[in-house]
Amino acid sequence: NAGVTQTPKFRVLKTGQSMTLLCAQDMNHEYMYWYRQDPGMGLRLIHYSVGEGTTAKGEVPDGYNVSRKKKKQNFLLGLESAAPSQTSVYFCASSYLRGEQYFGPGTRLTVT
Amino acid sequence: TQLLEQSPQFLSIQEGENLTVYCNSSSVFSSLQWYRQEPGEGPVLLVTVVTGGEVKKLKRLTFQFGDARKDSSLHITAAQPGDTGLYLCAGAGSRSGGSNYKLTFGKGTLLTVNP
Repeated sequence: NAGVTQTPKFRVLKTGQSMTLLCAQDMNHEYMYWYRQDPGMGLRLIHYSVGEGTTAKGEVPDGYNVSRKKKKQNFLLGLESAAPSQTSVYFCASSYLRGEQYFGPGTRLTVT
Repeated sequence: TQLLEQSPQFLSIQEGENLTVYCNSSSVFSSLQWYRQEPGEGPVLLVTVVTGGEVKKLKRLTFQFGDARKDSSLHITAAQPGDTGLYLCAGAGSRSGGSNYKLTFGKGTLLTVNP
């Protein structure tokens, strides 16, 4: 039981480049989330999904897109044109009930 | 805007000392979770409290949910270096419009326990 997995663990991008972060969970959770964590800002919700084929904007969605086609497939976070302000640690999480979320190990992204 | 304020922001203590960290809000939550995050890793759920006044114990950690379900505290007895980490509180299901599956996170208390 791997829980929530994320790939890659680290990535360096140049401004304007694009990339996709992958998240998978083997707990059959309905809800999935993408957060970013920055010093002094805490965890901020980017986008989330309440089920297969559904996504919604969180607190800081600008510059990001998400995709979740099938419940058991990857929950993808895309950056179409990376900016230095998107340098952060990105966490994927999933939950089943009562808001209890299970987090992946994170992706550390640096945009130069 | 639903806010959870945690205090203190930083705490550095010696092994064996007791400590309490706080999580306060003006909003009422249906439940509140505490997470611990170690450097380079994702947050790990420690406990969920649901009922006003509820107290839960996890070894040397004691969690309390306020009677009005607006605040919570985490007390650690005889802290150990292994307790070092970022402690995050998160509320779900605020009456001001939050859902049960979306969490409002505090910014955390960074605890360092020195040997």
